[in-house]
Amino acid sequence: SSELTQDPAVSVALGQTVTITCQEDSLRRSYITWYQQKPGQAPLLVMYGQYNRPSGIPDRFSGSDSGNTASLTITGAQAEDEAAYYCYTRDRRDNHVVFGGGTQLTVL
Amino acid sequence: QVQLQESGPGLVKASQTLALTCTVSGDSISSDSRDSWAWIRQPAGKGLEWIGHINPSGSTNYNPSLKNRVTISVETSKTQFTLILTAVTAADTAVYYCARDRFFGISSSRGYYYGMDVWGQGTTVTVS
Repeated sequence: SSELTQDPAVSVALGQTVTITCQEDSLRRSYITWYQQKPGQAPLLVMYGQYNRPSGIPDRFSGSDSGNTASLTITGAQAEDEAAYYCYTRDRRDNHVVFGGGTQLTVL
Repeated sequence: QVQLQESGPGLVKASQTLALTCTVSGDSISSDSRDSWAWIRQPAGKGLEWIGHINPSGSTNYNPSLKNRVTISVETSKTQFTLILTAVTAADTAVYYCARDRFFGISSSRGYYYGMDVWGQGTTVTVS
């Protein structure tokens, strides 16, 4: 199955832009999906496909997915964006799901 | 609006079998044959781990690290699906989530793509 690599922690100053990345080297994967998880809550879908935001997700969230790296960018980070972010994909060969290890975003 | 709710024992003794149920309201498991219905878990302070999923047709996929101990099935009502995990140990202590893994589309370069768009609130399972 695929394996997804994320940086464990990233920080951003309030109002600035931050990019969270997810890398997978086998290229057997489908598009990366992104989740936001705040303490004590279930994960929330924030990006799917290359750059699709579910209804209700602010447009300061954007995504890209090309080659072996997918990115989630928050333009003008807000205090409420402080959370863990997980990437997810399916292996196209065996249909197994894999999550990245997660990136803890701190908004300073 | 689709909602999911996990239920089951909060405490299980080591070596015994864990059984959890996810109840689907506002939709049916069979409403879209391309969707999957998944179980995910998260040990305290750690990341998300996919356990496995089932399609409305009944086909399943499991995490290879758990494959020998896991069974996921759909109830005949098509409004519940269950997780059975045998021979549990302390390492199985976690918050367990169920989720709908929705089919979103097809890409010529990436094939089918999905996303877990509806989650249950999670249920804490402790193995003693």
